[in-house]
Amino acid sequence: QKEVEQNSGPLSVPEGAIASLNCTYSDRGSQSFFWYRQYSGKSPELIMFIYSNGDKEDGRFTAQLNKASQYVSLLIRDSQPSDSATYLCAVNANGTASKLTFGTGTRLQVTL
Amino acid sequence: DGGITQSPKYLFRKEGQNVTLSCEQNLNHDAMYWYRQDPGQGLRLIYYSQIVNDFQKGDIAEGYSVSREKKESFPLTVTSAQKNPTAFYLCASRGTRFYQPQHFGDGTRLSIL
Repeated sequence: QKEVEQNSGPLSVPEGAIASLNCTYSDRGSQSFFWYRQYSGKSPELIMFIYSNGDKEDGRFTAQLNKASQYVSLLIRDSQPSDSATYLCAVNANGTASKLTFGTGTRLQVTL
Repeated sequence: DGGITQSPKYLFRKEGQNVTLSCEQNLNHDAMYWYRQDPGQGLRLIYYSQIVNDFQKGDIAEGYSVSREKKESFPLTVTSAQKNPTAFYLCASRGTRFYQPQHFGDGTRLSIL
């Protein structure tokens, strides 16, 4: 089992819809969780981080964390074509204070 | 502005040649990282350093070497032993608190001549 798993996609959603991106992790002691967006040919940029159970909202983005189910998700409301990118989930696993483990990413396509 | 600077943006390597990729940060971060990304693939960790004069191998360290003589700098050398070096190389840094994210540089694209 991979430490951080994401569906590779592509996930296709129409413009204006809600995109839901999911990530599961194997280490129950994981402490913090990060979502990055990566456009083709560019470096990853941080969108959000979360470390407490529940929801965290920032503009059109909402991160959701459920530690009991070892599941973290990213919701993008009112999806725009500019949101089309690969979204990487990263986890700070227990006992690896300075190292993040990345999933392989989910490619999102927002269609007109 | 605080950030991570990688240079060069593009680099070409001849057969049998060692090349060095530069990474400098002014974020005062203790930890620094090198990743390799192949087309359509995820990030693979090459080396990381949590403190000056110390570094650890990541998942794919063979054919690479690093040094960490200054807090701000973490250069990566791609040696001739790395037979398939063509990839996008990303440098990152991070603070020491568990909730702090990694910040990435803009990357270096390395190709074989």
